[in-house]
Amino acid sequence: EVVMTQSPVTLSVSPGERTTLSCRASQSVSINLAWFQQKPGQAPWLLIYDASTRATDTPARFSGSGSGTEFTLTISSLQSDDFAVYYCQQYNNWPVTFGQGTKVEIK
Amino acid sequence: EVQLVESGGGLVKPGGSLSLSCGVSGFTFSDYTMNWVRQAPGKGLEWVSTISSRSSHIFYADSVKGRFTISRDNAKNSLYLQMNSLKAEDTAIYYCARRVRDSGTYFDYWGQGTLVTVSS
Repeated sequence: EVVMTQSPVTLSVSPGERTTLSCRASQSVSINLAWFQQKPGQAPWLLIYDASTRATDTPARFSGSGSGTEFTLTISSLQSDDFAVYYCQQYNNWPVTFGQGTKVEIK
Repeated sequence: EVQLVESGGGLVKPGGSLSLSCGVSGFTFSDYTMNWVRQAPGKGLEWVSTISSRSSHIFYADSVKGRFTISRDNAKNSLYLQMNSLKAEDTAIYYCARRVRDSGTYFDYWGQGTLVTVSS
């Protein structure tokens, strides 16, 4: 199966800062990659699909990029509502697999 | 408004069985492939099982194959997961999730989850 590796595990960021999260696939997944946000006690919420397409209701400060094995999620100006855990997921190969998550915490 | 509501979780002994349900509303259930995804306490997400809209295609993760059975009742707008021979490592929050229609297997709506604890 495709192993998804996210880095860093934890990111300490100040509100208003720009931040970039990374996701690496063990083999090419083309652009078949999604990003999810999960807050404590809540279900994951789809942010980005097809590596760079924002889902409905995803704020414009979130952007995704990459293809093949290297992907990034960028938050242009971190808001208080953005402190959460972020997961990437590939859907190019079966079974679909998730990264282990990056926690974005307040600095 | 799209809603998915899981139920049926609880405490069960190793080797025991449990049946989860997911009731949905706000969309045409019979048009969508549905899934179960789980999350062990403090851990990441793990896909568990997928069932196509008419139940013609069913897939399982290797970790649950032969022990779990996914099913659906389109007339009742409900998704199910029968879990047998449960192990401690099956302890997790179980989410039902809708696969995006006519696209890849990623998930645009999730329920709030139901906690399954396998412990003696």
